[in-house]
Amino acid sequence: ETGVTQTPRHLVMGMTNKKSLKCEQHLGHNAMYWYKQSAKKPLELMFVYNFKEQTENNSVPSRFSPECPNSSHLFLHLHTLQPEDSALYLCASSQEAGSSYEQYFGPGTRLTVT
Amino acid sequence: GQNIDQPTEMTATEGAIVQINCTYQTSGFNGLFWYQQHAGEAPTFLSYNVLDGLEEKGRFSSFLSRSKGYSYLLLKELQMKDSASYLCAVRDSNYQLIWGAGTKLIIKP
Repeated sequence: ETGVTQTPRHLVMGMTNKKSLKCEQHLGHNAMYWYKQSAKKPLELMFVYNFKEQTENNSVPSRFSPECPNSSHLFLHLHTLQPEDSALYLCASSQEAGSSYEQYFGPGTRLTVT
Repeated sequence: GQNIDQPTEMTATEGAIVQINCTYQTSGFNGLFWYQQHAGEAPTFLSYNVLDGLEEKGRFSSFLSRSKGYSYLLLKELQMKDSASYLCAVRDSNYQLIWGAGTKLIIKP
């Protein structure tokens, strides 16, 4: 089993749809992250969970709603998205948030909002 | 504000050496990371520098000068598989990672 997995890999949704992205890590880490990656832009940190508690919400619009039921799973619930939300959404995990440990990334979900 | 600067794109020849620079202005410093990202794939960790100097790992080396707010990633004996984007990221005083936009490296035969 690879370290960090994400499903689906590709998603096309209309602006009125509701969908969820899933991330699972098999590394025994305690911190999980959602990032947005747009072409030629830096990675944008969206949310951080440390030991299942949300510790960061970087001014993300409420149409994105994270859920972390346990240290191994992370979801991103999407509703009434806008076309500018089209991007690659990356999940990552690390031993612990707020430390020097490196982050391990999943392959991402390529989201297209029509 | 916090800022990481790295060149948008670089081109190099197979077998050669290339240096990718990264300069940063951040609120504090708690380490600098380099990641490699192939098109359509996850970023993968390459190196971590927290003290000044050179860290060598096989064909890849990373250098840090904290006083200059500067790092570089040095890739030797370039191979076609090294064609990828290289991301520089700095951990600030709050231990939050600040990312650069990445440098796309194109290797030509």
